[in-house]
Amino acid sequence: DAKTTQPPSMDCAEGRAANLPCNHSTISGNEYVYWYRQIHSQGPQYIIHGLKNNETNEMASLIITEDRKSSTLILPHATLRDTAVYYCIVGYGQNFVFGPGTRLSVLP
Amino acid sequence: NAGVMQNPRHLVRRRGQEARLRCSPMKGHSHVYWYRQLPEEGLKFMVYLQKENIIDESGMPKERFSAEFPKEGPSILRIQQVVRGDSAAYFCASSPEIGGERSYNEQFFGPGTRLTVL
Repeated sequence: DAKTTQPPSMDCAEGRAANLPCNHSTISGNEYVYWYRQIHSQGPQYIIHGLKNNETNEMASLIITEDRKSSTLILPHATLRDTAVYYCIVGYGQNFVFGPGTRLSVLP
Repeated sequence: NAGVMQNPRHLVRRRGQEARLRCSPMKGHSHVYWYRQLPEEGLKFMVYLQKENIIDESGMPKERFSAEFPKEGPSILRIQQVVRGDSAAYFCASSPEIGGERSYNEQFFGPGTRLTVL
């Protein structure tokens, strides 16, 4: 079973920030938080990962709470092409356990 | 730098036939992972391999399924005597060597092979 909990679906207006939450209350000390997304039935696309500190790259920002029990993926200016299923995964990066994810719909 | 390549992209087999799915990792990557995705479900881990070694096959069905990653050539996921329940998308991912300062590991996924069993 996945060690994360995500809302099943979210809507976001085009051009606005999309904030996708993830709970991982049982995360271990050295486990990372990874975010992937899957557009239609394509292969999952890596977005970002982090351990303790907040992270930012060209795609998104990752905010991890101080106790590491939850995190938020932020897409700063969502576009229609960001419509996808977003997966939050915790672990060491070997056998990833994918939950059902959050289906993000970006609306025009 | 080419991404992870999988072929064929679509494969149709009749019940009882064999299916062979191939995966070429990204250049410089020595770790390969196979996942299966049933319709409307999330990805399920199957097996993790390094060159010539199976590291973790905890997600592989006990029968009919096997995987290899030879010293030369792509990784192969082989399904013998396919049944309709094997119809799914099979994704391969690869990652570079883990170790040293690199304690994390991001996996890069291929486009998948969609297997249909008639």
